[in-house]
Parts: sequence; structure tokens; C-alpha cells
Amino acid sequence: DVKVTQSSRYLVKRTGEKVFLECVQDMDHENMFWYRQDPGLGLRLIYFSYDVKMKEKGDIPEGYSVSREKKERFSLILESASTNQTSMYLCASILSAGGKGYTFGSGTRLTVV
Amino acid sequence: QKEVEQNSGPLSVPEGAIASLNCTYSDRGSQSFFWYRQYSGKSPELIMSIYSNGDKEDGRFTAQLNKASQYVSLLIRDSQPSDSATYLCAVNMYKGNKLVFGAGTILRVKS
Repeated sequence: DVKVTQSSRYLVKRTGEKVFLECVQDMDHENMFWYRQDPGLGLRLIYFSYDVKMKEKGDIPEGYSVSREKKERFSLILESASTNQTSMYLCASILSAGGKGYTFGSGTRLTVV
Repeated sequence: QKEVEQNSGPLSVPEGAIASLNCTYSDRGSQSFFWYRQYSGKSPELIMSIYSNGDKEDGRFTAQLNKASQYVSLLIRDSQPSDSATYLCAVNMYKGNKLVFGAGTILRVKS
């Protein structure tokens, strides 16, 4: 089975800090995604990547950036964390071919205080 | 209009009953449809995928797709308390592999 690993399950950061959320997948998937999930708002796409060094903005990219230097790793960066970025962050990956569903990582619960 | 719509629920059913979860989508050209189950505090888990009109069965789960009506549903037979979760409908609406998710339906199965 595909494994998508997010480096932290829970994080607490201070307002203004630069925050890195790491995601690694082990099945050579081209496509990787970062979502945040908030009660009542569902899953919202922040950024995605179709290949190494490629990135595309999703629906809510403001306040975030991403890095994909290696195929297996997709990092989400909060440039200056704010309290409204407190959320569950979910990473997902998928092969390019076949229209299959995503495999999600276990999620990172980020609290910004 | 939201791209993928689900009734937020909660949908309450007694143990052993059939739970019926519904989803509508806006893009008539969509080709791939997925149901995810998400337990509280956990990440979504893929439980069903469907690509053509009709029914697809997997154990106690049946996915139904009607592209003409832009409607996809998930039936859970013999519902168990362990089925209590949020069920997310996801649609591949665009070229590439970006999924659009509904907000989810909360299902509660009462013993």
C-alpha cells in the first residue's frame, strides 16, 4: 500500500513563526496536494504539485508557500503563522494516470497561539 | 452553487438499517467519483470509487452513479456503530487529478 507520511501529528507554534509541514510518499507518485480542513468548511486545497519543482495554487494559497525539490517530498510553509491558520493540514498523493483516488497522510493538527 | 454538495446531516440510522448518503456535483464532464470515510480526528480513507453509470458493490457498500442527473450516492447495508463517521464525496472535475470535495455528511449509527 501507498504510504503518505506527515512528519508531525500535532504542532503548536507562536504567531509570526515560520512553520514547515513535511509530507513524504513512498510510491513514486507525481501528484501531491496540501489541504486544510476546518469544521463546516470541509477540505480546501492550498497548493498542489504535478512534478518536481512544479507548483500550482489551489483555492486558498494566501499566507502559504510550498517546496518540491524531490519527487517524494512536498513541504508546506507558513511564512508567518497567524491564529487563523490553526487547522488540520492534510497531505495527499496520487499517480498521474488512471483517475484514482488520493491517498492521504495522517494529518497535522496545527495550533497557532 | 457549490461544486460538490452533500447534506451535512447528521444522518441517524439504527443498527442493521441501510444508510443512504447523497452527493450532487456541478460539472457535467466529471469522470471519476469517490467516497471517503473520515473518523473524528483522523484523515480521510478511500472506501469506494466509481467511474461509470450504475451500481458498484463492495461488501456492505454500494456506490451509485447517475451522470445525467449529476448525482452519486453511497449505500451502507447492515449499518454498524463502527460506520459512524463523516463521509466525504469527491469528484475529479478537471483535467489532471485534482479532486473537489463536498463538506461531508455525518452518519450516526445507533445500537
